[in-house]
Amino acid sequence: KQEVTQIPAALSVPEGENLVLNCSFTDSAIYNLQWFRQDPGKGLTSLLLIQSSQREQTSGRLNASLDKSSGRSTLYIAASQPGDSATYLCAVRPGNQFYFGTGTSLTVIP
Amino acid sequence: GAVVSQHPSRVICKSGTSVKIECRSLDFQATTMFWYRQFPKQSLMLMATSNEGSKATYEQGVEKDKFLINHASLTLSTLTVTSAHPEDSSFYICSARDLLIGWDTEAFFGQGTRLTVV
Repeated sequence: KQEVTQIPAALSVPEGENLVLNCSFTDSAIYNLQWFRQDPGKGLTSLLLIQSSQREQTSGRLNASLDKSSGRSTLYIAASQPGDSATYLCAVRPGNQFYFGTGTSLTVIP
Repeated sequence: GAVVSQHPSRVICKSGTSVKIECRSLDFQATTMFWYRQFPKQSLMLMATSNEGSKATYEQGVEKDKFLINHASLTLSTLTVTSAHPEDSSFYICSARDLLIGWDTEAFFGQGTRLTVV
């Protein structure tokens, strides 16, 4: 069974810092990996989708990489802002369903 | 991106009553919808997968008679929590995809429903 782990569980950084969130998964046979943002008590907002054949995707200040063979993905956030404070979830899709990590709770201090 | 609307966002009900949660795809046809639940400080766990016009497929450990799922149209799926108990209190989120487009399509999620059973 696919297991997804996210490290760290919580992260607090001062505004303006660049940061990296990590996601690892046990089975490399995936169709794609998706990063989401979840605000407290809210649903999920899709940030980036990386297909299994891709190495990275970029959107604005966000860059996600995928190393499928080693079962790892990173989400890089440049020049962090207080508005980036949220929980970030990665999810892999080996078939029809997603397997989610437990998330990294990010706090950006003004 | 595509929009998935989930309603209600919050509901409080008495133990023993039933609650219906709606999930709508607003600008695409959702051939497949997924229902997840999320306990505090935990990740999302898939409860069931529903395909339009057919019975839902439930994950192991999920009671299909308690969590009734109906996917009667390409834009609407409902989850009914029957005879709710306090342990059913959780955050429920739906997700929708148009699998006719392909396997590698992005998934879109509703805003979630916070269910509290008192």
